[in-house]
Amino acid sequence: EVKLLESGGGSVQPGGSLRLSCAASGFTFTNYAVNWVRQAPGKGLEWVSTISGSGRDTHYADSVKGRFTISRDNSKNTLYLQMNSLRAEDTAVYYCAKFTGSNSGWFDYWGQGTLVTVSS
Amino acid sequence: EIVLTQSPATLSLSPGERATLSCRASQSISIYLAWYQQKPGQAPRLLIYDASNRATGIPARFSGSGSGTDFTLTFSSLEPEDFAVYYCQQRSNWPFTFGQGTRLEIK
Repeated sequence: EVKLLESGGGSVQPGGSLRLSCAASGFTFTNYAVNWVRQAPGKGLEWVSTISGSGRDTHYADSVKGRFTISRDNSKNTLYLQMNSLRAEDTAVYYCAKFTGSNSGWFDYWGQGTLVTVSS
Repeated sequence: EIVLTQSPATLSLSPGERATLSCRASQSISIYLAWYQQKPGQAPRLLIYDASNRATGIPARFSGSGSGTDFTLTFSSLEPEDFAVYYCQQRSNWPFTFGQGTRLEIK
């Protein structure tokens, strides 16, 4: 059974940093690109970032480019999102999600999400 | 960035009725569109990918169609559990983008 379990969310002041983790199980982690998708309270979904199975290729939404860094540790089956220079508009539930295929672009399994609140 | 516009914003129907949701892309995305269902407090669930392919375990009452810029998600007959928010998503170009959602509510 595929499982994705996020952790690391919490409250932080504007300008602060936070690192999210996503522990994956039930599939061959290295074979799949994985992603972060966020959802602000009461709002829609926003793709944040993708990292390839090897970790060599990454993509970011313009809204987070230069502030967020996606990475993975394939030896630990874990995905990360380092978030720096946080802003109020980064407040959201952050989901990790895997692609249906190695790099398909469709999100078939999602974690339960972790809430990040940026507020003074 | 490709903008996806969903319509209507809210659709009020009764169980047993047929429902049609629309998603329009700001430029051609071929068939590279998916649909997701999200219920309150839950993560999204993939329903349809590549415009018309049902994901694993998705009932046949859900169907998707379209190509280019205009896409449709159709429910042949609404079940009580279908009332939720639905999002379309494109993977034609980076950045991947979602529509703003359509809320399907019980009339």
